[in-house]
Amino acid sequence: DQQVKQNSPSLSVQEGRISILNCDYTNSMFDYFLWYKKYPAEGPTFLISISSIKDKNEDGRFTVFLNKSAKHLSLHIVPSQPGDSAVYFCAARDNTDKLIFGTGTRLQVFP
Amino acid sequence: DAGVIQSPRHEVTEMGQEVTLRCKPISGHNSLFWYRQTMMRGLELLIYFNNNVPIDDSGMPEDRFSAKMPNASFSTLKIQPSEPRDSAVYFCASRTGGPGELFFGEGSRLTVL
Repeated sequence: DQQVKQNSPSLSVQEGRISILNCDYTNSMFDYFLWYKKYPAEGPTFLISISSIKDKNEDGRFTVFLNKSAKHLSLHIVPSQPGDSAVYFCAARDNTDKLIFGTGTRLQVFP
Repeated sequence: DAGVIQSPRHEVTEMGQEVTLRCKPISGHNSLFWYRQTMMRGLELLIYFNNNVPIDDSGMPEDRFSAKMPNASFSTLKIQPSEPRDSAVYFCASRTGGPGELFFGEGSRLTVL
């Protein structure tokens, strides 16, 4: 039973357009959410995070939105660039301080 | 600064053999995590340590898996005996205390034939 779900295994977006990656969770006790980016043959690297007391956090081209009532968060990348092509993992922190990850979404940005 | 260091990067072994994966966390980080990446389950938490003490090993698949952290700068994940379904990429990650981000190593790709 996945507590953090990324239902889209892949997404293809044209360069310059917006990329929207989605994540759903089931545990209402999660208090902190993060997005990680992973290139092939490398470890995941931290991208952006949001506390459960906020509904939006922005960092340059990246914005994370949190909808607690729907238990849903999303990552927006605007404008998308070819270098953004990677696997994106959503993660949530539980009350034991563990990070629970989703299955990932592979983003491909084409010219 | 050196990041999280994992070894070996690649391991190919035969079913039934013992496998040992190693991790050196970032100096000063007091929490260490072992994750396994598979297509079906994504990044799956196996075990995590806080100040060298195992806090939660509920993700360890079965008794064939064991992990140790004898000191603050070294951890091992051992699989004995290994099976083909253990084939995956195993990641080690560390962080300082609190809600901070995890820093991942480059992973150890294990193939069990």
